[in-house]
This record gives sequence, structure tokens and C-alpha cells, in this order.
Amino acid sequence: AQSVTQLGSHVSVSEGALVLLRCNYSSSVPPYLFWYVQYPNQGLQLLLKYTTGATLVKGINGFEAEFKKSETSFHLTKPSAHMSDAAEYFCALGSNFGNEKLTFGTGTRLTIIP
Amino acid sequence: DTEVTQTPKHLVMGMTNKKSLKCEQHMGHRAMYWYKQKAKKPPELMFVYSYEKLSINESVPSRFSPECPNSSLLNLHLHALQPEDSALYLCASRPGQGDINEQYFGPGTRLTVT
Repeated sequence: AQSVTQLGSHVSVSEGALVLLRCNYSSSVPPYLFWYVQYPNQGLQLLLKYTTGATLVKGINGFEAEFKKSETSFHLTKPSAHMSDAAEYFCALGSNFGNEKLTFGTGTRLTIIP
Repeated sequence: DTEVTQTPKHLVMGMTNKKSLKCEQHMGHRAMYWYKQKAKKPPELMFVYSYEKLSINESVPSRFSPECPNSSLLNLHLHALQPEDSALYLCASRPGQGDINEQYFGPGTRLTVT
């Protein structure tokens, strides 16, 4: 069975500080991993994705994530937080076996402190 | 055109009403999804259409009835809903066959059942 765990339902960082949002996964097949962002009363927007190949993935808005198979992790980082980064972030897991579904984590609410 | 559109943005309906939600994409995607999202929770999958055929129904109550008239359009017909059905309803699409299963989300319809 596939599962995603996001550690920390709420994360607060100061403007300009490092953002680190944690995601761990469990999968019996090679995983595809995604980070989505959701602003209030909006849909989900894809930030970045890992499928195969390079383990350091760069996304939009200055975010990046590193796939670490040995740690079954796909943590999201941004060197310098901006007020506009305040949102809900979801890590999601898919695969190329029965690839119609995504398994979502429970989400992390990111708050930026001025 | 690289977006998924949903109408209406907001809907208030009584428990005896019949209404429909509409989703449209013109990206040539062959898989379309309905999700339900409650506040502070990840999206919950309801239905998946693949090549205009219903491929997944996540044991959704029959008061929700999906329809896929063509490859660009997805409807969700609502009848005799309950107050607990109030939520954000998200539509998503995916290119189809292949090993990249990222989904593209619409902005959602905020449904309130009174």
C-alpha cells in the first residue's frame, strides 16, 4: 500500500528565512512524487515533480525538493521565504503502476512571519 | 489553453434541489477527476473518467452522479444532498496513458448545502 506522511501540520518561518517542509513516503513500487500548493479558496497548483532521473528537482517560485530513496523522503525547500509563500502545501505520491490515483499527504500550512 | 475551468465558483443549494457542477479542459487530456475537499484536509478522490469512461468510483453516494459527455467536459450532478456534503469540489485532468501522472486542478466550486 502507498502512503504519504507530512511532518508538521503547521510551519511558521520568518520572511527571508529557509523554508523546509517534510514529506516521507511508503511505496512498494518506484514512486513518482509531487508537491502541490493551495492558496485560500483556490485549486491545487503543481510546484514540482519527481519521476525518474535527477534527484534534485527545481520547481516554480524558487522551490526545490530532493528525492532520497534511502530515507524515503521528498522534502520541499526554499532558501528565502516570501510573504506570498503563505499557503497550504500537499505532498502527493503516484507511480507508473495503476497510475490513475494520487495519494496525498495531510498537508502543511505554511505561515510567514513579517 | 493550459487550464481547467470550473463553473460555478460558488453554489448554495437546498437539500431538495438538483444542481450540476461543470468542468472543462482543452488540453487534450484523456483522464478527468472529481475530488471533494473539506476545510484543512487533502482532496478526497470521488470519480475518475479515463477516455470518457468511468474507471474509478470511490464508493460515492448515489446523490452524486458524474457524467462525461465528451473528452473536454465533465459534469457532476447533485441531488438530495446533505449539509455534510458542503465542501470545495475540485476537478482535475491528466494527459492520459503514459508514465507521468501529474494532475492539473481547476479552481474549484465552493458548495454550501442548506
